[in-house]
Amino acid sequence: DTAVSQTPKYLVTQMGNDKSIKCEQNLGHDTMYWYKQDSKKFLKIMFSYNNKELIINETVPNRFSPKSPDKAHLNLHINSLELGDSAVYFCASSQEPGTVYNSPLHFGNGTRLTVT
Amino acid sequence: AQSVTQLDSQVPVFEEAPVELRCNYSSSVSVYLFWYVQYPNQGLQLLLKYLSGSTLVKGINGFEAEFNKSQTSFHLRKPSVHISDTAEYFCAVRDVGGGGNKLTFGTGTQLKVEL
Repeated sequence: DTAVSQTPKYLVTQMGNDKSIKCEQNLGHDTMYWYKQDSKKFLKIMFSYNNKELIINETVPNRFSPKSPDKAHLNLHINSLELGDSAVYFCASSQEPGTVYNSPLHFGNGTRLTVT
Repeated sequence: AQSVTQLDSQVPVFEEAPVELRCNYSSSVSVYLFWYVQYPNQGLQLLLKYLSGSTLVKGINGFEAEFNKSQTSFHLRKPSVHISDTAEYFCAVRDVGGGGNKLTFGTGTQLKVEL
């Protein structure tokens, strides 16, 4: 199936640990994103990559580091996890924004991160 | 900077009744507008979008929305809802010509359809 897939679906870990969330899209899109959805369901963009190049970097702690090995993958690594990092993290993709500004986002099903 | 306001956090409605989910936005430039739906334990899916042209846009699952520039609104409507429409609905905005594809989302409206 063509889709945006992210793993793991659930991630429970202790404060201070380092964890990664992986994302892959096989839609042929050039741009990928990470969004954070908090407990009140508020969605906020964290990062956006276009063809492996960082184009959006919101005010996110340095503990969060995206890595894009190729345009079909955008992984999110989080160091020294804190309680406040607990949220649902969504990966998304779209066509290159430079040519198709109205291209909709295609979302993965989310990774629920719980930091204890 | 843009902002999106969804005043109703929850909207309960009986099956087959009409529904309107409200969305107001604020921006100093022209915008594109979107409605996304999120079913439980899933990612968001695009319902419909306004880019230009006709202010009434039709989307999937019988939903439609009307862009009102003077009132800076983009309310979502459906004439007759079904149980399967129970979900979280997000309004989103992005600047025309803005850098990247940066969407600003509202806080969401939980639509609960009851028998």
